[in-house]
Amino acid sequence: SAVISQKPSRDICQRGTSLTIQCQVDSQVTMMFWYRQQPGQSLTLIATANQGSEATYESGFVIDKFPISRPNLTFSTLTVSNMSPEDSSIYLCSVDRGRNTGELFFGEGSRLTVL
Amino acid sequence: TQLLEQSPQFLSIQEGENLTVYCNSSSVFSSLQWYRQEPGEGPVLLVTVVTGGEVKKLKRLTFQFGDARKDSSLHITAAQPGDTGLYLCAPVKTSYDKVIFGPGTSLSVIP
Repeated sequence: SAVISQKPSRDICQRGTSLTIQCQVDSQVTMMFWYRQQPGQSLTLIATANQGSEATYESGFVIDKFPISRPNLTFSTLTVSNMSPEDSSIYLCSVDRGRNTGELFFGEGSRLTVL
Repeated sequence: TQLLEQSPQFLSIQEGENLTVYCNSSSVFSSLQWYRQEPGEGPVLLVTVVTGGEVKKLKRLTFQFGDARKDSSLHITAAQPGDTGLYLCAPVKTSYDKVIFGPGTSLSVIP
C-alpha cells in the first residue's frame, strides 16, 4: 500500500482566509486526485493533478478557488482560497499507484472548519 | 457519465445482525470496486469484481456482481462494531481515468 501524508490533519480558519493542504506520497505517482467530503456524505472529486500539466477541474470547481500545484511526482498541494463556512469539509488526497489494478490509495484527510 | 445509486443511505443495526447494501448503475460497469471508510480515515479498497455473476467472499463480507454488470451487493454476516463505516462503490478506473464514487451507505453497528 502507498503511504500518503497530509498536512494539516485539521485546522480551524477564519472566513476570507486561505489554507494550503499538502500531500506527500512515499513513491512516484503519475496521477493524484483531490476529493472533498462534506459531513456525512460521499467523496466529490475536485480535480486531477498530473505532474507537468495544469490540473483538470470537475464541474463546480474552479482554479481561482482551489488552486493546485504538482511540482514533482511525489507531492501536491491544494489551496482553499477566500474561505467561507461552506468550505468546511474533509479534503482528501488520493493516488493511483499505476499498477493497473485501478485501486486508489488515500491520505487520512484534512478536516477544515471555517468560522 | 455513469450515475451510481447506493442504498440504503443510512443503516443502523445491532451487533450480530446481517445486512445487505446495494450499488446500482444507469449503465454497465466494466468492473466495480467497493471501498470502506472508517471514521477519521481515508477509504480503503475491499474488493474488485470483474465478471458478471461473480461472488467474492472476504471473511464475513460477501460481494456479488450482477449478471448484467449494472448492479452489485455487499452482504455482511453477523455484523460487528468494527464494520462501522461508509461503504462506497465505484467503477474501476482505467489508466488515465478518474474515479467517481457512489453516494455511499453509512453503516453503524451498535454493540
